[in-house]
Amino acid sequence: SQTIHQWPATLVQPVGSPLSLECTVEGTSNPNLYWYRQAAGRGLQLLFYSVGIGQISSEVPQNLSASRPQDRQFILSSKKLLLSDSGFYLCAWDRGGAYNEQFFGPGTRLTVL
Amino acid sequence: AQKVTQAQTEISVVEKEDVTLDCVYETRDTTYYLFWYKQPPSGELVFLIRRNSFDEQNEISGRYSWNFQKSTSSFNFTITASQVVDSAVYFCALIGTGRRALTFGSGTRLQVQP
Repeated sequence: SQTIHQWPATLVQPVGSPLSLECTVEGTSNPNLYWYRQAAGRGLQLLFYSVGIGQISSEVPQNLSASRPQDRQFILSSKKLLLSDSGFYLCAWDRGGAYNEQFFGPGTRLTVL
Repeated sequence: AQKVTQAQTEISVVEKEDVTLDCVYETRDTTYYLFWYKQPPSGELVFLIRRNSFDEQNEISGRYSWNFQKSTSSFNFTITASQVVDSAVYFCALIGTGRRALTFGSGTRLQVQP
């Protein structure tokens, strides 16, 4: 069966510090991968998606970036965090192709102070 | 453009009551899929159901049922005989032709009181 991991689970970072969140998927190959952010009490906003190694599409321009160095690894980064980057970050995967349901990881709760 | 509206921000019911969560969507795509996800307090989104735009047959899974009506662009979710464990935020989502990612509604927080 497939599993998706995210770490860290929680993170408190000062404004201006760098960020690296990691997501890995097990039990599947060539998945589509996604990063979402959920601000407190709000819905999910798609940040990035990837259909393959090194292929990243950005949905919302901002100071975050994403990379996919391996087939089942997806990394969300920032060089300098802003207060507005606080939120709950969720990684998701699907089987590829069209219209497939996405499966989500446990999330990382980021607080920028 | 795609849009999903969940007008109910928060619903509170007493255990064993039935509750319906509303979802209204907008899309110009002729082929699309609709989804419901559950987000318990732990935060992880749990997939509940996927329905394509050509299948308006209602679906029942245990205490859960879904009513898809293209005429009103709605995909409502009913929990029968609610339980405390049903307390969560529920999200409706949509994906259309050629798109890569889901468009989510803002979610409905369901509180089931014992």
